[in-house]
Amino acid sequence: DIQMTQSPSSLSASVGDRVTITCQASQDIHNYLNWYQQKPGKAPKLLIYDASTLEAGLPLRFSGSGFGTGFTFTISSLQPEDIATYYCQQYDSVPLTFGGGTKVDMK
Amino acid sequence: DVQLLESGGGLVQPGGSLRLSCTASGFTFSYYAMSWVRQAPGKGLEWVSGFSGSGGTTYYAESVKGRFTISRDNSKNTLDLQMNSLRVEDTAVYYCTKDRGRHIYGMDVWGQGTTVTVSS
Repeated sequence: DIQMTQSPSSLSASVGDRVTITCQASQDIHNYLNWYQQKPGKAPKLLIYDASTLEAGLPLRFSGSGFGTGFTFTISSLQPEDIATYYCQQYDSVPLTFGGGTKVDMK
Repeated sequence: DVQLLESGGGLVQPGGSLRLSCTASGFTFSYYAMSWVRQAPGKGLEWVSGFSGSGGTTYYAESVKGRFTISRDNSKNTLDLQMNSLRVEDTAVYYCTKDRGRHIYGMDVWGQGTTVTVSS
């Protein structure tokens, strides 16, 4: 199975800050990577697929990059509604595997 | 509106069985891959099982292989998960999810989740 290592596991930031989360795959997964946002008590929501493609209708402050084994998810200017846990997930091979999650809260 | 509605969760003793169901609406169900994803209390996400679209192939996580069976009825727009020999570690919220395409890529629509508790 492909292991996905996400960091940091948690972070605190202020409104307007740039937030960056990294995800490392245990082997080359090309660009077969998704990013999800999960708010407390809610189902996850797909934000980015194919490592860098933003789901339709979502704010442009969310972006993703990377290829191979190293990936980055960025919120360019943190907003209060972005408080959530974020997960990366690879789909290069089954079983699909997720990173451990990054909990983002407000400083 | 694309919707997924799960049912069937509950409390069951270790070694018992439970069948989860998911009813889909608002999209061409038969075309898309579908998966079950679970989340243990206070933990991260774990993909459990998937069924590729257009009458395709089934896939399982190693942790449930041989105990869980995924099935779909394209005439009724339903996805089921038969869970046998349940263990305490199967306790989780189970989400029914729709994939972006015919193959198992990633989940663009999630149900609200149904809770499974395995305890004596």
